[in-house]
Amino acid sequence: AQKVTQAQTEISVVEKEDVTLDCVYETRDTTYYLFWYKQPPSGELVFLIRRNSFDEQNEISGRYSWNFQKSTSSFNFTITASQVVDSAVYFCALSEWEYGNKLVFGAGTILRVKS
Amino acid sequence: GAVVSQHPSRVICKSGTSVKIECRSLDFQATTMFWYRQFPKQSLMLMATSNEGSKATYEQGVEKDKFLINHASLTLSTLTVTSAHPEDSSFYICSASPGGTSTDTQYFGPGTRLTVL
Repeated sequence: AQKVTQAQTEISVVEKEDVTLDCVYETRDTTYYLFWYKQPPSGELVFLIRRNSFDEQNEISGRYSWNFQKSTSSFNFTITASQVVDSAVYFCALSEWEYGNKLVFGAGTILRVKS
Repeated sequence: GAVVSQHPSRVICKSGTSVKIECRSLDFQATTMFWYRQFPKQSLMLMATSNEGSKATYEQGVEKDKFLINHASLTLSTLTVTSAHPEDSSFYICSASPGGTSTDTQYFGPGTRLTVL
């Protein structure tokens, strides 16, 4: 069965600190996709990244970076030099080829960045 | 690109009335749309998958007759909460996907906050 675990319920950091949000997933499928979404206080989910199971290359986009490790079934997200505008709920999600693009979301991690 | 809108953004209604929420893909055609429900400080739970021109597929535990979904065109899906009750109060979010496979990213609307008095 699909499952996504975000063990960190809430993280508080001071501006300019680096922060890593953890995501561990479970799947029986060999073809799957992993996502990160950001949900600011306004409520709208903002797509951040999609990764397929055959591409383990880490990715960097500005202050954001993602570390995908199949050996540990993890897809962690790091924000470098955090800013107050990064404060939001971050969701990790999984979809399996077998189930079309139905997303299973983790519980989310609340990130609070203080100035 | 990949903009999804929802209307209304917020609605307050009396118990027993029906409420319709619209989800539109503004700059792409969406063969598949999804409806989620989110309770305060919780994650998103998929309610149903809506495919253009066919019946929606509901997740286990979601009442089909209570949450009516219509995907009449490639850019519009509607969710109607029938005979709403206070326990239906929630944040409803739709997403749209250009295709129907795992290769397609879902793009989310801004959500609709429903309050049933």
